[in-house]
Amino acid sequence: EAQVTQNPRYLITVTGKKLTVTCSQNMNHEYMSWYRQDPGLGLRQIYYSMNVEVTDKGDVPEGYKVSRKEKRNFPLILESPSPNQTSLYFCASSPTRDRASEQYFGPGTRLTVT
Amino acid sequence: RKEVEQDPGPFNVPEGATVAFNCTYSNSASQSFFWYRQDCRKEPKLLMSVYSSGNEDGRFTAQLNRASQYISLLIRDSKLSDSATYLCVVNRGMNYGGSQGNLIFGKGTKLSVKP
Repeated sequence: EAQVTQNPRYLITVTGKKLTVTCSQNMNHEYMSWYRQDPGLGLRQIYYSMNVEVTDKGDVPEGYKVSRKEKRNFPLILESPSPNQTSLYFCASSPTRDRASEQYFGPGTRLTVT
Repeated sequence: RKEVEQDPGPFNVPEGATVAFNCTYSNSASQSFFWYRQDCRKEPKLLMSVYSSGNEDGRFTAQLNRASQYISLLIRDSKLSDSATYLCVVNRGMNYGGSQGNLIFGKGTKLSVKP
């Protein structure tokens, strides 16, 4: 089944403890992206990647890192999480950079930082 | 002016009603426009693309007016299952220092269809 998977789906952690949220797609998509969704603010893009080894900042990249070493994986790293990073995170992928807006989203990761 | 602006709603309509959602965008260099649907606590899903010539998919019609920088979505004969939040999506475009991959989502318009 073609899909985008994220792990974990739910995570509660403490301030400063490094964490990684994994994202994987099995559709051979070129483009991948990370978003956070907060009440009243909507979906905001954190980072995106047009292809392997190519990443760019979105609108809210502070406090996050990403890497794209393989086409299928695009992990989101929080080196030192803070409570303001408590949010619902979505990973998404698209077939090609030219069709970047046709995104397939993962199920989401609900992160709580205490 | 916000980059992508939508009426937040909620729109509460009876089954069978026709509903129209509007979205305005500020970047004239934007090239791609889409409508997404998001059910409560679920991931957004692509509903349809928006083209200048207008496009239709069953009960759904999307329109783009580049001159006015305005996008619309019309739902005819609404069903209970249409209840969701509808998100307008625009790519930022090159002259804002972005790229085709730099996407801006509107905050969404919530629709509730009642029996």
